Amino acid sequence: GENVEQHPSTLSVQEGDSAVIKCTYSDSASNYFPWYKQELGKRPQLIIDIRSNVGEKKDQRIAVTLNKTAKHFSLHITETQPEDSAVYFCAASQYGNKLVFGAGTILRVKS
Amino acid sequence: SAVISQKPSRDICQRGTSLTIQCQVDSQVTMMFWYRQQPGQSLTLIATANQGSEATYESGFVIDKFPISRPNLTFSTLTVSNMSPEDSSIYLCSVGGDVNEKLFFGSGTQLSVL
Repeated sequence: GENVEQHPSTLSVQEGDSAVIKCTYSDSASNYFPWYKQELGKRPQLIIDIRSNVGEKKDQRIAVTLNKTAKHFSLHITETQPEDSAVYFCAASQYGNKLVFGAGTILRVKS
Repeated sequence: SAVISQKPSRDICQRGTSLTIQCQVDSQVTMMFWYRQQPGQSLTLIATANQGSEATYESGFVIDKFPISRPNLTFSTLTVSNMSPEDSSIYLCSVGGDVNEKLFFGSGTQLSVL
């Protein structure tokens, strides 16, 4: 089955800097890659997703890139703000069916 | 996106008892899933709740421990049976997942077993 590895486990950045979180997946049949943000005590919230027919997708300060050949995808957050502090999870699946999640990254934005 | 309500939001239960968690969606959805999030951990899929048939369980999860019902396209329940402290987790239902459908999570049930 699918296996998703996520790095780093913890990331601290200064407010205004960029943050990058990377994930690799094992199943070449996976074609859907969402990212979730989970604040303390809250449900995971979908923040951006990408499908395998697209190499990059942007939404304001966040972007996701996908390298199908290398089987890795990354989340990029620019101009980080304190409210970006949360746990971020990557995931992979075939068209959203049975998402397999990475271990998560704790992002701390220091002001 | 659909509004997904879960009940209860939290509970403290005694060892050996069972708890049933309800998940209600405000629109009909094809796919419903149940996830577990142990303290400080990632999300692990327990099972896919199939409407009108038995749930499909992932490796490591069995029907006797986590019976699931899905009587219609807007509602599902997950029961955590014969609980032990190791069952203390957040349990989340999620909906969506078909082609072109994004996966969204309910508000979660924080379960503590003493």
